[in-house]
Amino acid sequence: QKEVEQNSGPLSVPEGAIASLNCTYSDRGSQSFFWYRQYSGKSPELIMFIYSNGDKEDGRFTAQLNKASQYVSLLIRDSQPSDSATYLCAAVNQAGTALIFGKGTTLSVSS
Amino acid sequence: DTAVSQTPKYLVTQMGNDKSIKCEQNLGHDTMYWYKQDSKKFLKIMFSYNNKELIINETVPNRFSPKSPDKAHLNLHINSLELGDSAVYFCASSRPGLGETQYFGPGTRLLVL
Repeated sequence: QKEVEQNSGPLSVPEGAIASLNCTYSDRGSQSFFWYRQYSGKSPELIMFIYSNGDKEDGRFTAQLNKASQYVSLLIRDSQPSDSATYLCAAVNQAGTALIFGKGTTLSVSS
Repeated sequence: DTAVSQTPKYLVTQMGNDKSIKCEQNLGHDTMYWYKQDSKKFLKIMFSYNNKELIINETVPNRFSPKSPDKAHLNLHINSLELGDSAVYFCASSRPGLGETQYFGPGTRLLVL
């Protein structure tokens, strides 16, 4: 069973700090990776996707991918209370037949 | 306009009943999905479907069946509901390919008593 692993948290950071969310995956053939944000009682929404090794930046968000280590991370700079949510890491399996989600990391940003 | 919509938003029913959840997307996407999110917030794909192919997660009981009257709709029919079916069910859509961004509906909260 291919898996995506995340620390469930909660991860607590003060406002203005950098929040670092981590994810590992077991399917070495996975090529596409996604970070979704889910507010309590709401549906997931895409934050970022990354396909290539290295960093990808979008505003306050940076996704990092290391395929050799099978590791994906999401950095949130200048964290805001509105960033408080559950962050879901997802990977497309090698066969391209399923998007496998991790259990999510709950982030709490205190003002 | 809502991109991906689901009805009903809440569904409370008895064990053994049969129920359906409807999903509609107005994004023009070819591919639609059903996910189940359990009480521990674990989001798990159940089906992916386009007009050519249905891919079923092998762990999904055959009491669950997707039905697509047209490209914009993918309904989920559940027979003989069980307590363990209580969860939030999300519909999603995307352009073809799992590497594409998926857009989620608001979810249907199912409670089986």
